[in-house]
Amino acid sequence: NAGVTQTPKFQVLKTGQSMTLQCAQDMNHEYMSWYRQDPGMGLRLIHYSVGAGITDQGEVPNGYNVSRSTTEDFPLRLLSAAPSQTSVYFCASSYSTGTSGEQFFGPGTRLTVL
Amino acid sequence: AQSVAQPEDQVNVAEGNPLTVKCTYSVSGNPYLFWYVQYPNRGLQFLLKYITGDNLVKGSYGFEAEFNKSQTSFHLKKPSALVSDSALYFCAVRDPGALTTDSWGKLQFGAGTQVVVTP
Repeated sequence: NAGVTQTPKFQVLKTGQSMTLQCAQDMNHEYMSWYRQDPGMGLRLIHYSVGAGITDQGEVPNGYNVSRSTTEDFPLRLLSAAPSQTSVYFCASSYSTGTSGEQFFGPGTRLTVL
Repeated sequence: AQSVAQPEDQVNVAEGNPLTVKCTYSVSGNPYLFWYVQYPNRGLQFLLKYITGDNLVKGSYGFEAEFNKSQTSFHLKKPSALVSDSALYFCAVRDPGALTTDSWGKLQFGAGTQVVVTP
C-alpha cells in the first residue's frame, strides 16, 4: 500500500493564482481531511469528508474548496492564493466508524505564496 | 468544545536520560487521546492512543503515555531518549461524546513540542 500520497511536495504561487493540491489514499478509508500546519499553532482542520460526495468545513475553511468524487481522492483547491495561505498542508485519512479513528497522514505540501 | 494544551514549546534532554512531553486536555466526556511524531520534512506518524482500559499505554519506538483522568493529562514518556527521537511531537484529542458521523474524524491538535536530544 502506498498509504496517503500528496502532490506536489513544494509549490510557489503568486498572489491571486489558483491551484489544486492533490491527495489520494489506497486504504479504502471513508474519512479524509485537510490540515494546515503553521509554527506554534499545531494543525488546523480546513475541510473534511466522511465519504464520496460528502464534504464539510473545518476550523479554517475560508479561501479553500474541496470535492470528493471518489473514495480515494480528496483534492484541495485554492481559489485565489494569498500570502496568509503560505503553510504546510497535510492530508489525512481514517476509517469513519467502528474504530478509534487513528489518522494516517501524507508527507505534506509546502506552499509559498508571494 | 474539546481542546488540548502542550505547555512546553521545546524539551531538551541528554541521550540516555528519561524524556517526558506534557499534554493536558479538556473534553466533555471520556476522551480519545493520541500522540503523533513529526520528523523534519515528513508527515505525522502515529505513536500511540488511549481509548479505554489501562492508564499506561505502550506505543511505537519505546514510547509510552500515562492517562490521568483527575489531572486531565496524557504525558508522553520514554525511559531512555535517543538522538533519533529529536522531532516535533503532537498530542491530539477527540471527544467521543461528539460521535456523530460528521465529527468522527475531528481531532484537536496541540501546538506541538519540539524535542531535542543531545549526544
